Amino acid sequence: AQKITQTQPGMFVQEKEAVTLDCTYDTSDQSYGLFWYKQPSSGEMIFLIYQGSYDEQNATEGRYSLNFQKARKSANLVISASQLGDSAMYFCAISKSNDYKLSFGAGTTVTVRA
Amino acid sequence: GAVVSQHPSWVICKSGTSVKIECRSLDFQATTMFWYRQFPKQSLMLMATSNEGSKATYEQGVEKDKFLINHASLTLSTLTVTSAHPEDSSFYICSARDLGARSYNEQFFGPGTRLTVL
Repeated sequence: AQKITQTQPGMFVQEKEAVTLDCTYDTSDQSYGLFWYKQPSSGEMIFLIYQGSYDEQNATEGRYSLNFQKARKSANLVISASQLGDSAMYFCAISKSNDYKLSFGAGTTVTVRA
Repeated sequence: GAVVSQHPSWVICKSGTSVKIECRSLDFQATTMFWYRQFPKQSLMLMATSNEGSKATYEQGVEKDKFLINHASLTLSTLTVTSAHPEDSSFYICSARDLGARSYNEQFFGPGTRLTVL
């Protein structure tokens, strides 16, 4: 079984500052993928970034970067230069490499203040 | 990126009626689609995996007879909530994996359907 833990229910960040969202995971699989999704109040799930378990370099996508520490089983998301539009719920998820089913964490609500 | 649509976007029904939710991949073929359920302020929980041309695979605790899934074509999967009750009120989201995907992360989500059962 796979499990994702997000311990921060909510966070406030000042506009233009960076914010780190924590994510730890538990899996017995050797090959897996880690994902971060953004869910604004509209409900749509927006894919942000992906990290494969065998990827040696941390993934980056624009203002999003993933701090992957495999030995510690953590995959924290860093959002740099926060914008008001970043206010949303953020989910960390994990998937086995062969079935693509996603197990989501509880999510972290981010509120960006002007 | 690829587009997945859901219809309806929201539905209100009376207790005891059945509701069908459609999930379509608009510009790609999807042999596999996933159905998730999300209660307010909570996480997404996988309900079932929908496979084109075969029976759906349900997660533990999900009632097969309650949530009927049909994946009749490579672009359409339907979820029917049978004899809906107020506790079935939730946000239902589907996702689809591109048949031709080479990248592991190519899975696309629909916009969701908000079901309210009175």
